[in-house]
Amino acid sequence: GQNIDQPTEMTATEGAIVQINCTYQTSGFNGLFWYQQHAGEAPTFLSYNVLDGLEEKGRFSSFLSRSKGYSYLLLKELQMKDSASYLCAVSGNSGYSTLTFGKGTMLLVSP
Amino acid sequence: EAQVTQNPRYLITVTGKKLTVTCSQNMNHEYMSWYRQDPGLGLRQIYYSMNVEVTDKGDVPEGYKVSRKEKRNFPLILESPSPNQTSLYFCASSDPSNTGELFFGEGSRLTVL
Repeated sequence: GQNIDQPTEMTATEGAIVQINCTYQTSGFNGLFWYQQHAGEAPTFLSYNVLDGLEEKGRFSSFLSRSKGYSYLLLKELQMKDSASYLCAVSGNSGYSTLTFGKGTMLLVSP
Repeated sequence: EAQVTQNPRYLITVTGKKLTVTCSQNMNHEYMSWYRQDPGLGLRQIYYSMNVEVTDKGDVPEGYKVSRKEKRNFPLILESPSPNQTSLYFCASSDPSNTGELFFGEGSRLTVL
């Protein structure tokens, strides 16, 4: 089976840096995704990691360590619009058919 | 514009009245999937389809049916809805030959009284 853990809530200040952690235990691994979801809206794709290391995309970066079953999403220069839920999702043995989502981390950015 | 379209976006219905939520994608994606999202439980997969006429159960398939007669469409059918199926439903599609990034529809909020 798949088990994905991430913090339920986090708070941060505008302009700061925040790191959202995700740990997983899965039967097989074919990649880890991060999605952003604003309240009442659909999730939108942020990043994809399949190899160890850091992937940087503008203000957002995602890190993966497969041996530790660990990933983090790093958000820099936080803006108010970054207040959202951040979902970690892991693709297991059967590829995309077994994409399992964590429960999400609600990030609140305050002025 | 590349998109996944769900209908209806909002629906209030009563127990036992059959309903269908349609999903259509215009990206020629082979893979399509349905999720429900509930507070504290996150996104849970209901059914998925790897291609036309190929469907399989996800984590929470009870009370739901799907069909994939055409590549672009993947309707979700609730034969006899019950109040525990009150939820926010998302359809998604992806191209497995790429990263597998899921493209989501805007969601359908269903209330069963």
